[in-house]
Amino acid sequence: GAGVSQSPSNKVTEKGKDVELRCDPISGHTALYWYRQSLGQGLEFLIYFQGNSAPDKSGLPSDRFSAERTGGSVSTLTIQRTQQEDSAVYLCASSLAGGDTQYFGPGTRLTVL
Amino acid sequence: ILNVEQSPQSLHVQEGDSTNFTCSFPSSNFYALHWYRWETAKSPEALFVMTLNGDEKKKGRISATLNTKEGYSYLYIKGSQPEDSATYLCAILDNAGNMLTFGGGTRLMVKP
Repeated sequence: GAGVSQSPSNKVTEKGKDVELRCDPISGHTALYWYRQSLGQGLEFLIYFQGNSAPDKSGLPSDRFSAERTGGSVSTLTIQRTQQEDSAVYLCASSLAGGDTQYFGPGTRLTVL
Repeated sequence: ILNVEQSPQSLHVQEGDSTNFTCSFPSSNFYALHWYRWETAKSPEALFVMTLNGDEKKKGRISATLNTKEGYSYLYIKGSQPEDSATYLCAILDNAGNMLTFGGGTRLMVKP
């Protein structure tokens, strides 16, 4: 079946611009996660959605970052006024329920010039 | 916040060598441990899910053990091959949590 998909695969933007990254989770998965990997770093948790509960935003690095999940399916991660330090690979994952095996998308490589 | 530690951070071995690395975690309130394999330019993929003390899982040349009383898991690779080069991540779920907490990973490089 279809896995987790993300778009765009690559995004180059200028400092100060806003960007939106999209994630389509596996159908039926109630949990959705956003992570990022900056150059030379490990997996950094950003935000977690579980069903209709309020999201866990504890990993968002600043108030320039926000995410929403519409209809319990597709999620959008928005970064406002991008900075060069936002350059990273942004990964989305979904799982059947919280705590279950996570299935990762291919990622979006964001470059802020 | 769970403290999940992996060691070493990176490891270089020769093709054919066997190797192992460690994931350490708080033993209290443990529920499950996951191992993932993350190849460069690809997405992390699940290797094993382990829950019981003394569990041992195997997939080809890769195996893992779990000690929940002392809070560690070992991942072993027998006869390493260049295609084993990847970052190996462990992640923990505790009784109080509802999502996995990932360690920093061990980056393995196998030289031909």
